[in-house]
Amino acid sequence: EPEVTQTPSHQVTQMGQEVILRCVPISNHLYFYWYRQILGQKVEFLVSFYNNEISEKSEIFDDQFSVERPDGSNFTLKIRSTKLEDSAMYFCASSEAWTGQETQYFGPGTRLLVL
Amino acid sequence: LAKTTQPISMDSYEGQEVNITCSHNNIATNDYITWYQQFPSQGPRFIIQGYKTKVTNEVASLFIPADRKSSTLSLPRVSLSDTAVYYCLVLRGSARQLTFGSGTQLTVLP
Repeated sequence: EPEVTQTPSHQVTQMGQEVILRCVPISNHLYFYWYRQILGQKVEFLVSFYNNEISEKSEIFDDQFSVERPDGSNFTLKIRSTKLEDSAMYFCASSEAWTGQETQYFGPGTRLLVL
Repeated sequence: LAKTTQPISMDSYEGQEVNITCSHNNIATNDYITWYQQFPSQGPRFIIQGYKTKVTNEVASLFIPADRKSSTLSLPRVSLSDTAVYYCLVLRGSARQLTFGSGTQLTVLP
């Protein structure tokens, strides 16, 4: 069964540093997403991406965040200047389309720890 | 978006059927109901989705009454490995995001 993969599985960084989280969505999917989950809290939507541009973003997704599809397979989330409160699990997801009925498939996540 | 309410936690024993009910009183005509499962330190995993009446797949059944203001996820004969958080979500076609609530922590006991 095809799956979404994410690298790295864990990332430790110093406050103020830039991090790039990588995702390989399922190959025939057209919509890509990033979510995050702070320890013990809800899964929160960050951004959706389609046709090389952002479709929707949440209030969390401010100027320190950016997304990119640098090639035909990877989808990245960059956090420019990390803060302590960015420590969380970051999940990438993808779906074939978005009609309100499409399943989003999630990756295993990247655990980010900002010190 | 339709707000969902589901129990915070449930306990069950291996081999039992588990029913988790979710209320979504202000569901709109075009909204779909979806359930996801999440194990600790893993991404959410799609379980089942429906619009009305009953949907069944190899993992679960989803019962939705005619007024669609609630839905019940039914897990037949649970095992220890079904211990997880289960989320009920209402999907609106125009929104390209999933809105997760707190979910129901299901604990299956031996």
